[in-house]
Amino acid sequence: NAGVTQTPKFRVLKTGQSMTLLCAQDMNHEYMYWYRQDPGMGLRLIHYSVGEGTTAKGEVPDGYNVSRLKKQNFLLGLESAAPSQTSVYFCASKPQGRETQYFGPGTRLLVL
Amino acid sequence: KQEVTQIPAALSVPEGENLVLNCSFTDSAIYNLQWFRQDPGKGLTSLLLIQSSQREQTSGRLNASLDKSSGRSTLYIAASQPGDSATYLCAALNTGNQFYFGTGTSLTVIP
Repeated sequence: NAGVTQTPKFRVLKTGQSMTLLCAQDMNHEYMYWYRQDPGMGLRLIHYSVGEGTTAKGEVPDGYNVSRLKKQNFLLGLESAAPSQTSVYFCASKPQGRETQYFGPGTRLLVL
Repeated sequence: KQEVTQIPAALSVPEGENLVLNCSFTDSAIYNLQWFRQDPGKGLTSLLLIQSSQREQTSGRLNASLDKSSGRSTLYIAASQPGDSATYLCAALNTGNQFYFGTGTSLTVIP
C-alpha cells in the first residue's frame, strides 16, 4: 500500500513550456485534491475531484487544468508555465465522509 | 470564503515546556477541523481530526480542542521535545468538501 504518490519529485521548466504532474492513490478514495504551497501563503486549493470523471475549481485554478479519467489518478497540467507557478505542489486524497486527507510527498516546480 | 489564521507564525520554546498553538476560522459551518505536521521538504502528516460535533481529541502528548461558536481551535503539546520541531498547520473542511488551510506555526523546541 503506497498511499499517495506524486511524479515527478522535482522539475525545472522554462516559461511557456507545458507539463503534467501525476498523482496516484491506491486507497480507493473518492476525493482527490491538488494544492500549491508558497512561503507565507499556506496551502491553496487549485482543483479537486469528487469522483472519477469529475473535476471542480478551487481557490486558485487559473493557469492549470486537471483530469480524473481513472479513480486512482489525478493529473494536473500546466499548458504554458509562468514564473508565478514556481511552487511546491501537493496532491491529497480522502474517502467519502468527514474523514482525513492523505498527502503525497510533493513536487517542487521551478519555472525560469 | 473561509479564512483560516494561525498565530503565532513562529514559536521557540525550551524542551519540556507545554505549549499551545492557535487556529481561528471565519465560517463556523465546518464539517471538521484537522491539525497537520509538516517537516521541512516533506508532505503533511495528519495529527488529529476533530469532527464538528466534538469538543476535543487527544493523541499521546497532543490535545486539540474545537469551539465552533467562537471559530477557534487549539493544539496543546505537553512536555515538548526537540523531535516536535516542525510546522503545524490547521485545516477546516467546509460543507463543499474543500479544505482551507492556515499558514502554519513553525515550532522550534530547543534542547
